[in-house]
Amino acid sequence: SQKIEQNSEALNIQEGKTATLTCNYTNYSPAYLQWYRQDPGRGPVFLLLIRENEKEKRKERLKVTFDTTLKQSLFHITASQPADSATYLCALVEGGSQGNLIFGKGTKLSVKP
Amino acid sequence: NAGVTQTPKFRVLKTGQSMTLLCAQDMNHEYMYWYRQDPGMGLRLIHYSVGEGTTAKGEVPDGYNVSRLKKQNFLLGLESAAPSQTSVYFCASSLLSYNEQFFGPGTRLTVL
Repeated sequence: SQKIEQNSEALNIQEGKTATLTCNYTNYSPAYLQWYRQDPGRGPVFLLLIRENEKEKRKERLKVTFDTTLKQSLFHITASQPADSATYLCALVEGGSQGNLIFGKGTKLSVKP
Repeated sequence: NAGVTQTPKFRVLKTGQSMTLLCAQDMNHEYMYWYRQDPGMGLRLIHYSVGEGTTAKGEVPDGYNVSRLKKQNFLLGLESAAPSQTSVYFCASSLLSYNEQFFGPGTRLTVL
């Protein structure tokens, strides 16, 4: 069966450390993978998109990697801050599909001061 | 620009009642989507539209209908609400498929 798994429901880290969130998928061939941030009571907000032929994308303190052999994307936040505390969602677009996003369940990140 | 707006923000219905959720976007996006988000289930696509006058089913379309009479608006209807439709509903839009999606603030619906 097809699955997208974000391997931790919750991740707690200390301020200043690097947070690493994992997104694994099974029986998909993604053309794109996207990461979103969701704060309580709000809609998701787009952060980064990475294509199947890209290994890595960066935006300020954020970095996303995409390994189609391992069927995995890693999302890194360097020098984490309490303001980075939120739920992070990964979503993929299946190659050759209509282009709709398929979401993982998310990882709740808490950054402690 | 307001982005994506949703009305209402909260609603309580009794089983069997009907209602319409309105989504509006001012970004001239072609694609619009309705999702529901339930604890432990993540975001699931209900219906989507690839342009004015078009609609298509997503992963969980049963019990819902949609219409896109104007490019900027996407309506989600519940004809006969059931407790299983208690959820938070999000609307989103994108310029093209595969592009980043812009989400509204959500509607929290409770069906008693």
